[in-house]
Amino acid sequence: NAGVTQTPKFRILKIGQSMTLQCAQDMNHNYMYWYRQDPGMGLKLIYYSVGAGITDKGEVPNGYNVSRSTTEDFPLRLELAAPSQTSVYFCASVQREGYEQYFGPGTRLTVT
Amino acid sequence: GQSLEQPSEVTAVEGAIVQINCTYQTSGFYGLSWYQQHDGGAPTFLSYNGLDGLEETGRFSSFLSRSDSYGYLLLQELQMKDSASYFCAVRDGTNKLIFGTGTLLAVQP
Repeated sequence: NAGVTQTPKFRILKIGQSMTLQCAQDMNHNYMYWYRQDPGMGLKLIYYSVGAGITDKGEVPNGYNVSRSTTEDFPLRLELAAPSQTSVYFCASVQREGYEQYFGPGTRLTVT
Repeated sequence: GQSLEQPSEVTAVEGAIVQINCTYQTSGFYGLSWYQQHDGGAPTFLSYNGLDGLEETGRFSSFLSRSDSYGYLLLQELQMKDSASYFCAVRDGTNKLIFGTGTLLAVQP
């Protein structure tokens, strides 16, 4: 089991560019999440999904989009990158009735 | 609004016991989780309390009082490798986690 994987590990974007952060899990978890973590802060939920074809907004969804076409994959799309989106992005997953979220290693994104 | 409050920093010496408190105010509550995060790393799960009382896992214990909207994480026999950030997080009805801002624990020799 690879668990939760994320690519890329690092990325530098110019203002206005777009990119997709990839997230995949091989644990057959129904629930998947995207968080961002700014320096010295806790994690804030961007979007989440309770199953393939179902997504919903979290606390800070503006500037992002997601899709969930399969149970395994949950990509996060950044459109028109802004410096405020400089952060570390974590993807996580959990079983339907579980409470232990498994996190990927993170993507460190800088927008300049 | 939803908020979780934790101390920002705690310092302790190797071998000691440290308690990290968490008070929460959230619109939905199914349980309180604790996660550890080493610098630059991903959060990893430590403990979960769905009901009032104490849960023990090795050197770590966690406590919950739902009537007081309060919980704590207790770390015993501190080791240098326990230096990390610790986050409490409330689990809501849709399995979402709302995280606190974290407590940075520094263990000194």
